[in-house]
Amino acid sequence: SQQGEEDPQALSIQEGENATMNCSYKTSINNLQWYRQNSGRGLVHLILIRSNEREKHSGRLRVTLDTSKKSSSLLITASRAADTASYFCATEGRMDSSYKLIFGSGTRLLVRP
Amino acid sequence: DTGVSQDPRHKITKRGQNVTFRCDPISEHNRLYWYRQTLGQGPEFLTYFQNEAQLEKSRLLSDRFSAERPKGSFSTLEIQRTEQGDSAMYLCASSLRDYGNNEQFFGPGTRLTVL
Repeated sequence: SQQGEEDPQALSIQEGENATMNCSYKTSINNLQWYRQNSGRGLVHLILIRSNEREKHSGRLRVTLDTSKKSSSLLITASRAADTASYFCATEGRMDSSYKLIFGSGTRLLVRP
Repeated sequence: DTGVSQDPRHKITKRGQNVTFRCDPISEHNRLYWYRQTLGQGPEFLTYFQNEAQLEKSRLLSDRFSAERPKGSFSTLEIQRTEQGDSAMYLCASSLRDYGNNEQFFGPGTRLTVL
C-alpha cells in the first residue's frame, strides 16, 4: 500500500503562476524524493531532500520537509505549459534495508497556456 | 533518457497466458527494483535485487510472479496464468547506492493489458 497522500489530487493553473503540492507520509524516513511523470511515460527524478534538511532548491523547484508533521511540499515557480504532468512524492524508510521507495498517490498538474 | 530500458513497451495478452518482461538497468548500478502502477495511482513496490540476489518481495507479488537477475545485469519479470487484475504499467528502476543518496532511475515501463 502507499505511504501517504498528496494534496491536491489535481491542480489547474495559468502559465506563469506558482504551483504548490503537498505530501504527507506515515513512517520515519531517510529521505523524501519528488518525481514527475508525463502522460504514459516513465518517472523522472526531480529532487531529493534528506531527513535532516528542511528546505532545498533546484532551479524553479523548492522543496520543504517537516519531519515533525511528516509532510513535504513542492513549489514550482513561474510555471510553464511543459510542467503539465503528474507529480509524486516518494519516501525511503529509515528502517528499510532495501531502500525501496514508497510513493504517494500523486498530484495531476495542468498548466494552461 | 535515463538509461534504463524495458522491453516490450506494450503487451496485450489473453487471460491465462504467461508473459515475460525484460529490464536493462544502467550498467554500473547494483540495485534493481520492480514496481507496478495502476491508472491514477503511484507506483507500488514489487521486488528488489542487489546484484543477482533477490532480497525483498512485496506481498503484492503472488506466486504467479517470478523475477530473476542472472549475473546481476538485466532482470526479467514473469507473470504466469495472467489475470485481468494484472493489467498495469510495470516499471523497472536501478540505482547505485551512495551514502545518503538513493536516486532511482526509472525505465519507460511495460504496459500490460490482459483481455
